[in-house]
Amino acid sequence: RKEVEQDPGPFNVPEGATVAFNCTYSNSASQSFFWYRQDCRKEPKLLMSVYSSGNEDGRFTAQLNRASQYISLLIRDSKLSDSATYLCVVNKGTNFGNEKLTFGTGTRLTIIP
Amino acid sequence: DAGITQSPRHKVTETGTPVTLRCHQTENHRYMYWYRQDPGHGLRLIHYSYGVKDTDKGEVSDGYSVSRSKTEDFLLTLESATSSQTSVYFCAISKQGYEQYFGPGTRLTVT
Repeated sequence: RKEVEQDPGPFNVPEGATVAFNCTYSNSASQSFFWYRQDCRKEPKLLMSVYSSGNEDGRFTAQLNRASQYISLLIRDSKLSDSATYLCVVNKGTNFGNEKLTFGTGTRLTIIP
Repeated sequence: DAGITQSPRHKVTETGTPVTLRCHQTENHRYMYWYRQDPGHGLRLIHYSYGVKDTDKGEVSDGYSVSRSKTEDFLLTLESATSSQTSVYFCAISKQGYEQYFGPGTRLTVT
């Protein structure tokens, strides 16, 4: 089983729709969770950090389910500019202060006008 | 955006030659990381640093070495480049070792 698994997509979603991605992780000791977005041929950019049960930032909501070991990302009222690859990232459960992260391979999202 | 630059941004080199990639930050962050990104794989950690002259190996460190003589600079060296090291290399920084911020990347091709 991969340490972090994501549905690769692609997800093709009409503008204005709501879209959700799930991500599962295998290390029950993981404490920190992140969503990054990566545009084509660009660097990953931090979208959200999730340290407790969830986090919300505008149109974006991340939820964490520790019992089932998955995190989700919900995007409401999707915009054309949301088109990107979304990376699920989980820490390896090492001590805080020196995170070693495991990256998923990403879910590709395309917003259709 | 975090103040991170990488140089060179693109490089083509021949098998067997040494290559050094540079990561420079203006944020004075303690932690710095080198990753590679390949199709079908998530970003994989090569080496990281938790302070000047303090470095450690990541999961794919074979064939790579690093040095950090100043807080702002973290160098990645491919001692003898191989075709399997063709990749996109990203540097990342972190203030407290939690959230990481990435540089623009270096595309390396080994022929």
